[in-house]
Order: sequence, then structure tokens, then C-alpha cells
Amino acid sequence: DTAVSQTPKYLVTQMGNDKSIKCEQNLGHDTMYWYKQDSKKFLKIMFSYNNKELIINETVPNRFSPKSPDKAHLNLHINSLELGDSAVYFCASSPTSQETQYFGPGTRLLVL
Amino acid sequence: AQSVTQPDIHITVSEGASLELRCNYSYGATPYLFWYVQSPGQGLQLLLKYFSGDTLVQGIKGFEAEFKRSQSSFNLRKPSVHWSDAAEYFCAVVPWGLTGGGNKLTFGTGTQLKVEL
Repeated sequence: DTAVSQTPKYLVTQMGNDKSIKCEQNLGHDTMYWYKQDSKKFLKIMFSYNNKELIINETVPNRFSPKSPDKAHLNLHINSLELGDSAVYFCASSPTSQETQYFGPGTRLLVL
Repeated sequence: AQSVTQPDIHITVSEGASLELRCNYSYGATPYLFWYVQSPGQGLQLLLKYFSGDTLVQGIKGFEAEFKRSQSSFNLRKPSVHWSDAAEYFCAVVPWGLTGGGNKLTFGTGTQLKVEL
């Protein structure tokens, strides 16, 4: 009965590679998010989708591209990975864009 | 600029002792306020939230928080800490209802709680 799930949980890859992280929620929520947590535990929003439509796009390199095939899924594709992309990426969802957000377990990305 | 401040980076308490984690926000008006907890290697779990009404809110795991408008604070408290409470605690705000609010959760820098047995 997982609410917000992410795959993979851990991802170790080389610089320059392209990788994707997947997020799924079974809560019936309309809005989904991606947050990045850096090595100092600081959390910052990257993107938000409401009913498959992009509503928040923070200052994030173009190498990061979110995709929402349906409102239960929000994937994050990262091109040409750099060392500084190493972080924990959290997916979250909320019933609407003005309600409490619930977080997934995180994907720990390490770029070597 | 809008901001959330958690002044204590690390706090150590003995098991059974009381706990208070501080959170201050800087917004033009009262935002909506949250406390999340992140256990080692885990995701973020919502402890409690304040939208309006009673300024003392109860959450899960025996936690409570008090909103004080005059101090722009939303401090988290627990009367008796358990060893399993050792984790990172994040205060967060979202400016719903404020002009240009949106649903961007802005987090504080976190307070790491260590519990001594």
C-alpha cells in the first residue's frame, strides 16, 4: 500500500551519462513534485506538475527534464550527468496544488 | 525575501527529556506551516501542520507545535523524547492564499536531533 514510490532507490553512475528516476503515487492526487536535497540536507523544489501540466519550474539546468505521462506518474530525466548532480531526489504529491505534500522515500544519486 | 530559519543545526537530548526545536519564518503574512521528519536514509514524513485556528497543533508520534504570530515562530515540542526520535527535523512553509503563493514548499535547513540513552 505504498503511497508515493520512487525507483531506483540508489543510482550510481558515471559523469556524462543520462539517467531517469521514476515516481508513482497511488493516492489519486492531482499534483506531483520533484525536490533536490543536497549534501548539506538542504531541500529545494525543482518542478511541479498539476494534472500533467507543468506549473512550477525553478531555476534548474536544461539537462533536467521532467515528464508526466499521467497524473499518477512524474519521471525525471537527467542528461549529461555532472558531479554536482549527486544528491537525494525526492518526489512528492498533493491532492491539489494547494494542499499538503506527501513525500516518497527518495532516490540517492551518486555521480562518479 | 521569504525565508525559514531553524537556528539549531544540532541538538542532543537525553532519552526521556523534553524537546523543543525552533523555527522562525519571514513572510509578508502568515503562511501555512509544516514540520517534517527524515530518519536516517529515509524519506520525509509529515509530523504536523498549521493552517489556521487553534495555535497549538498535535501531530503524530507525540509531537506538538505552537504557532506564535507575534514571534513569527512555529516551534516543535515533545514532552519526553524516545531514542527512535533521533532524526533530522525540517520546518517548512508554503504561502497559500498569499499573492503569487503557489505550492512551493520552502524548507528550513533542518535540525539534527541526537538522543542519548
